[in-house]
Amino acid sequence: GAVVSQHPSRVICKSGTSVKIECRSLDFQATTMFWYRQFPKQSLMLMATSNEGSKATYEQGVEKDKFLINHASLTLSTLTVTSAHPEDSSFYICSANELYGYTFGSGTRLTVV
Amino acid sequence: AQSVTQPDIHITVSEGASLELRCNYSYGATPYLFWYVQSPGQGLQLLLKYFSGDTLVQGIKGFEAEFKRSQSSFNLRKPSVHWSDAAEYFCAVVDNNNDMRFGAGTRLTVKP
Repeated sequence: GAVVSQHPSRVICKSGTSVKIECRSLDFQATTMFWYRQFPKQSLMLMATSNEGSKATYEQGVEKDKFLINHASLTLSTLTVTSAHPEDSSFYICSANELYGYTFGSGTRLTVV
Repeated sequence: AQSVTQPDIHITVSEGASLELRCNYSYGATPYLFWYVQSPGQGLQLLLKYFSGDTLVQGIKGFEAEFKRSQSSFNLRKPSVHWSDAAEYFCAVVDNNNDMRFGAGTRLTVKP
C-alpha cells in the first residue's frame, strides 16, 4: 500500500532556530499533501494544504511566514518552522492524498528549548 | 463548513465488553468518512473508511462502522474489546476542498 515517510521523528532545537520536517510519498505521486499539528491530548488541526508547484493554502490563524511549506516535487513536501519558540513544540504530522484515501506519516515530535 | 463531532471525550469499557464510539458529521452531500486510531506518541492508523455503497463498513482489528444518513452519524463498533485496543480514536471527514478534518477524539480505556 501507499507509504508516506516523515523525517525526523523527533527533533529538539534551541529557541530562535529553524527546523525542517520532510514528508515523502515513497511509492506514489502526491500532488497534494497536508500538514497537521497536534498538541498533547488534543486532536489534529489542519495547518495547511501543500500543492506541488504552487503556494500552500494556509488555515486561518496559521502564520505562513513562520511555517514555510515547500512542495517542489510530486513526492516531497517540507515544513520549516522558522524562529521556533517553545510554544511551537508540538507533534507535526503530514499526509498525502492518493487514489484510495489519505496516508499519514509517522509524525515529528518537535521540542523547542 | 464541514465538521465532525465526537461527543465522548473519554470512554472506559471492560475487556471483552462491546464498544461503540460516536461520531456525527455536518455535511451537505454524501461525505467521505474515516476512523483512525492513535497510540500515545504514534502516528495514525486507518481502521476503516466510507465513500459510498454498503453503509456497514468492515475494518481492521474487528472494527466496523455504520453510516446513517438520517442521523448524520458514523459510529464505530467492536463486539469484544481487547486490552490492546486502548488508544485515542479519531473520526474524520473530507470536505469540499478534499481537506481531511478531524473530530476532537475519544480516548478509550480498557479495564481488565
